[in-house]
Amino acid sequence: DTGVSQDPRHKITKRGQNVTFRCDPISEHNRLYWYRQTLGQGPEFLTYFQNEAQLEKSRLLSDRFSAERPKGSFSTLEIQRTEQGDSAMYLCASSWGGGGSYEQYFGPGTRLTVT
Amino acid sequence: AQTVTQSQPEMSVQEAETVTLSCTYDTSENNYYLFWYKQPPSRQMILVIRQEAYKQQNATENRFSVNFQKAAKSFSLKISDSQLGDTAMYFCAFILPVNSGNTPLVFGKGTRLSVIA
Repeated sequence: DTGVSQDPRHKITKRGQNVTFRCDPISEHNRLYWYRQTLGQGPEFLTYFQNEAQLEKSRLLSDRFSAERPKGSFSTLEIQRTEQGDSAMYLCASSWGGGGSYEQYFGPGTRLTVT
Repeated sequence: AQTVTQSQPEMSVQEAETVTLSCTYDTSENNYYLFWYKQPPSRQMILVIRQEAYKQQNATENRFSVNFQKAAKSFSLKISDSQLGDTAMYFCAFILPVNSGNTPLVFGKGTRLSVIA
């Protein structure tokens, strides 16, 4: 297992278009997180899943954002009707929720540019 | 709400020297975990070191160590024998182990560290 992977690594889209990102977590991890990181800032939480259940969503996650994790494996994050303010790095992380281990392992991110 | 503050936006250090990055946090909880993550330029976030709040002993990982002061809510990172590869953004992060599940990490704004040859 080579770690958390994300696809695509870069996405340029025009305002108003829809985009979808994919995250493949470390295979034995049951928790998956999405964060957004803008330039010069730390990552901000968007949403997270335990297996296939979406357990928490940030107020940052507007109605234009939706995330899924079918079958508790990979996850997708979709942004509808993109706006220039959506331009950011979207990070995915995964963790194993058992045994008191709370480390989250991050993927390389998807950099979104909305023109 | 939990907050994490990193008061040093940028720092630099000479190769082989020691540098300390500051982090303070705010919480009313007694049980939590603290982390330092490293994000090299254009590369992914890597966990550097973790500290459980219930442990008094400061965590150490090779050249990286922390100074955890629970009463002061301070969690600084010391990098000894700095190497060029240590050049990166460093983020302090905090998590509450609520019930049986994780809550999301709360990050500081980061400190950009440059190691100079």
